[in-house]
Amino acid sequence: AQRVTQPEKLLSVFKGAPVELKCNYSYSGSPELFWYVQYSRQRLQLLLRHISRESIKGFTADLNKGETSFHLKKPFAQEEDSAMYYCALRGSNYKLTFGKGTLLTVNP
Amino acid sequence: SAVISQKPSRDICQRGTSLTIQCQVDSQVTMMFWYRQQPGQSLTLIATANQGSEATYESGFVIDKFPISRPNLTFSTLTVSNMSPEDSSIYLCSVSGDTSNYGYTFGSGTRLTVV
Repeated sequence: AQRVTQPEKLLSVFKGAPVELKCNYSYSGSPELFWYVQYSRQRLQLLLRHISRESIKGFTADLNKGETSFHLKKPFAQEEDSAMYYCALRGSNYKLTFGKGTLLTVNP
Repeated sequence: SAVISQKPSRDICQRGTSLTIQCQVDSQVTMMFWYRQQPGQSLTLIATANQGSEATYESGFVIDKFPISRPNLTFSTLTVSNMSPEDSSIYLCSVSGDTSNYGYTFGSGTRLTVV
């Protein structure tokens, strides 16, 4: 079975502060990990995928297989980063399993 | 990435009735999925819509309650049957391209309220 855990339901930081949204997973094979973001009144959209090893909007995420983690990080948070963030795992069956999400609020 | 048109965007329905949600994609896609997002909850996969054959349902979801059609590679429907207030949720369509495309695109969702 595949499982994704996001331990923080809410995360609040000040503008300019570093932010880390935690994601841990459980999967017996080689997973594909994603971060999705949902801004207020907008549809869910892909932010990052681990296979691309890219930085989007200043966010990065590294897959740590030893710790089974895929934490999302940004060194300097911006107010426009306020949104709901979902970590997701895709197994060999191509189905996405989502974590419960973390609501990030960046205060001015 | 594919562009998805999902409708209706929202509806308020009487209990005991059924609602059909449509998902139209602007290009042919290999895989289409239907998710449910209950209030304050994460996304839960309902089923995989298979082109030309019966959908594959996840544990806890059955065809009689959530019949799905997928007549071609660009279109699918999800019906929520014999609705009760517990079915009040956001229903989302999601698509993915071929196996080399690891991204998934989501529709804007259908916000269903059952009264």
